[in-house]
Amino acid sequence: NAGVTQTPKFQVLKTGQSMTLQCAQDMNHEYMSWYRQDPGMGLRLIHYSVGAGITDQGEVPNGYNVSRSTTEDFPLRLLSAAPSQTSVYFCASSYSAGSLHEQYFGPGTRLTVT
Amino acid sequence: AQSVTQLGSHVSVSEGALVLLRCNYSSSVPPYLFWYVQYPNQGLQLLLKYTTGATLVKGINGFEAEFKKSETSFHLTKPSAHMSDAAEYFCAVTYSGGYNKLIFGAGTRLAVHP
Repeated sequence: NAGVTQTPKFQVLKTGQSMTLQCAQDMNHEYMSWYRQDPGMGLRLIHYSVGAGITDQGEVPNGYNVSRSTTEDFPLRLLSAAPSQTSVYFCASSYSAGSLHEQYFGPGTRLTVT
Repeated sequence: AQSVTQLGSHVSVSEGALVLLRCNYSSSVPPYLFWYVQYPNQGLQLLLKYTTGATLVKGINGFEAEFKKSETSFHLTKPSAHMSDAAEYFCAVTYSGGYNKLIFGAGTRLAVHP
């Protein structure tokens, strides 16, 4: 099992550009989520999905879109990048949406918006 | 609303010394509590979790944490620090029925010196 994979590892964007951060898992997990990590703020939930076709907003959803067409993939789209979106982005998955289940995190994507 | 406070953004200990990382939470419902570790340039890995039952929880790599409801605390300890314990540690909270939406503390960076 590769676990949770994320691409790219690093990305530099100019303000106003769009891009998609990719996330895939091969554990047949129902639940997937995106977090951003900023210094001194821990991780904050952007969007989450409890299964294919079902997504919802987390704590900081503005400026990001998601979709979940398959169980395996959960891409995060930045429609018009802003410097405030400079951050490290982590994708995570768990067996189900139940709070008991361990979340497995990907290695992260470091995004810089200039 | 739930929140997590980690006291001390940086903690430094000598190899072989006691490790104590502090976490206090706020929750209006019975919490589920987690400690995650992040090694440099990696994703997060679950150290241990408390859901129900025994309040002293043992995790990987010799770490343990005790849930104290009266003090709203979930401090992480390890009797003897090892150089390989140097990492950033995050405390997180969620609750039963809250999906797997974790609220993270700001993190504590642990340094271990010879």
